[in-house]
Amino acid sequence: EDKVVQSPLSLVVHEGDTVTLNCSYEVTNFRSLLWYKQEKKAPTFLFMLTSSGIEKKSGRLSSILDKKELFSILNITATQTGDSAIYLCAVEASDSWGKLQFGAGTQVVVTP
Amino acid sequence: DTEVTQTPKHLVMGMTNKKSLKCEQHMGHRAMYWYKQKAKKPPELMFVYSYEKLSINESVPSRFSPECPNSSLLNLHLHALQPEDSALYLCASSQDRQYTGELFFGEGSRLTVL
Repeated sequence: EDKVVQSPLSLVVHEGDTVTLNCSYEVTNFRSLLWYKQEKKAPTFLFMLTSSGIEKKSGRLSSILDKKELFSILNITATQTGDSAIYLCAVEASDSWGKLQFGAGTQVVVTP
Repeated sequence: DTEVTQTPKHLVMGMTNKKSLKCEQHMGHRAMYWYKQKAKKPPELMFVYSYEKLSINESVPSRFSPECPNSSLLNLHLHALQPEDSALYLCASSQDRQYTGELFFGEGSRLTVL
């Protein structure tokens, strides 16, 4: 059975700190790994990583995919209180397009 | 503001009621999704519609009945629900089933079953 495990489950940091979130996965016929940010209700898309795109960066956020060791990291540098959210990792298999399996998420709290 | 609109935002219903959740998008997306999210849990896929046809049903109980009247609208009809069905129901859309990475989520409908 496909599995997505995120760690840590939660963390509290001070503004300006760097945060590293982990996502390990086991999926047959891996197609993509995605990161989402969920603040209050709707998850919003951050990155998609595939075999042809194993590193992505947008502003203070960056992510890498290690297809050999089956994990991904999401980094947030110079954190701000607006980064407080739940960060969800999801994987998709190539034989089940449209089906994302989410991890439990990491709750990040950034204090002033 | 999200480009996927869900109504109602909150719904309270009894176990014998019939109600519907509605979802609308005007981005020209051809794939639409229903997810269920319980408190402090990740979203779980329920249904996927692709080009207005049901393409994935994750063994959802028949008391949940999806409907896709056209490419912009997605409904979820609810009947004889149980209290454990109380959750946040999220609608999402993507350009196509092949472009799941660019899922756009609505803000959800918070359902409470008494």
